[in-house]
Amino acid sequence: KQEVTQIPAALSVPEGENLVLNCSFTDSAIYNLQWFRQDPGKGLTSLLLIQSSQREQTSGRLNASLDKSSGRSTLYIAASQPGDSATYLCAVSAYTGANSKLTFGKGITLSVRP
Amino acid sequence: DTGVSQDPRHKITKRGQNVTFRCDPISEHNRLYWYRQTLGQGPEFLTYFQNEAQLEKSRLLSDRFSAERPKGSFSTLEIQRTEQGDSAMYLCASSGSGGLETQYFGPGTRLLVL
Repeated sequence: KQEVTQIPAALSVPEGENLVLNCSFTDSAIYNLQWFRQDPGKGLTSLLLIQSSQREQTSGRLNASLDKSSGRSTLYIAASQPGDSATYLCAVSAYTGANSKLTFGKGITLSVRP
Repeated sequence: DTGVSQDPRHKITKRGQNVTFRCDPISEHNRLYWYRQTLGQGPEFLTYFQNEAQLEKSRLLSDRFSAERPKGSFSTLEIQRTEQGDSAMYLCASSGSGGLETQYFGPGTRLLVL
């Protein structure tokens, strides 16, 4: 059974700091990995999707990397801003084209202090 | 296209009552997923549709839960004889058929069972 772990559960940083959020998963036979953002009481917003054959994806100040063999992914946020405060969730999809259901970690709650 | 929509956004009910939630996916997406999220946890997979066919159900989906997707368009999730443990955020997501595609999430329906 796939398990996704995100540590620490919460993180507080001053504005402007570059930071890395970690995600690990137990079964390397994944189809893809997604990073999501969730604001309190809201749904999920997709940030980046990395296919199993890829090593990284970039969007603006965000860069996500994937090391499938070691079961790890990182989300790098450059020059953090108070508006980045949210919960960041990592999710992996099973290695089957028939159903891409996602297995999520519990998330990392990020607070960026002005 | 306005993305995935869910209705209602909030529902308060008494234990033992039946509730029904609706999800309207992005119009060209043929895959639709339901997830459940409790406080401090990541979303957990409940069930999956490809067009109108329900192809997988989680063991989390007890016999009190039923989901439909008539004509492969919108989907409904019904909970019969609600219990306090059903209190959660119910999230719907949709994606295209390639299996490589991002899942787009709706805003969720927050259920509180008193």
